[in-house]
Amino acid sequence: NAGVMQNPRHLVRRRGQEARLRCSPMKGHSHVYWYRQLPEEGLKFMVYLQKENIIDESGMPKERFSAEFPKEGPSILRIQQVVRGDSAAYFCASSPDVYEQYFGPGTRLTVT
Amino acid sequence: AQSVTQPDIHITVSEGASLELRCNYSYGATPYLFWYVQSPGQGLQLLLKYFSGDTLVQGIKGFEAEFKRSQSSFNLRKPSVHWSDAAEYFCAVAFQTGANNLFFGTGTRLTVIP
Repeated sequence: NAGVMQNPRHLVRRRGQEARLRCSPMKGHSHVYWYRQLPEEGLKFMVYLQKENIIDESGMPKERFSAEFPKEGPSILRIQQVVRGDSAAYFCASSPDVYEQYFGPGTRLTVT
Repeated sequence: AQSVTQPDIHITVSEGASLELRCNYSYGATPYLFWYVQSPGQGLQLLLKYFSGDTLVQGIKGFEAEFKRSQSSFNLRKPSVHWSDAAEYFCAVAFQTGANNLFFGTGTRLTVIP
């Protein structure tokens, strides 16, 4: 059973561009979570999704950030008009039910 | 307010020595507790978890953790550290039944010296 897949692993964007981060959960997992890790900090929860539904987006910035988990295909975290402060590692996790989350390798976003 | 604290930012131990990493939380009830390990440039791997029952839990790679309700702690231990254990260790907490987001501590970086 393959683990949680994330791509790309590294992404470089200029200020003002869009960043699209993809996450494929483990087989059989219907819960997806996105976290952000700033340098020298722990992970901060952003959003929790199930297929076609956003369950909890309490950690998402109000502007420029959006997430989706369509019926088919990976979950997408989208950041519009990126700024330097968006530079971070973005981790996706999936779980089969609740609580026991399995993390992907992360996408490291650099905004120049 | 709910919080997770890892008081040690960086710990250095000799290979073969014992290890204890501290984790404290602030919450009015018993949360669900986790320890994750992150190697440089990698994702997080679950070491162990506590939901209920026996307060001493065994995990992978020879790690164990003990939940102490009176101290609101969930410290991670290993009797003999190997060089490959050098990594960043994160304590994580799910505070509410039905809440799926994890709160992470700021991490403890472990260095292992020969």
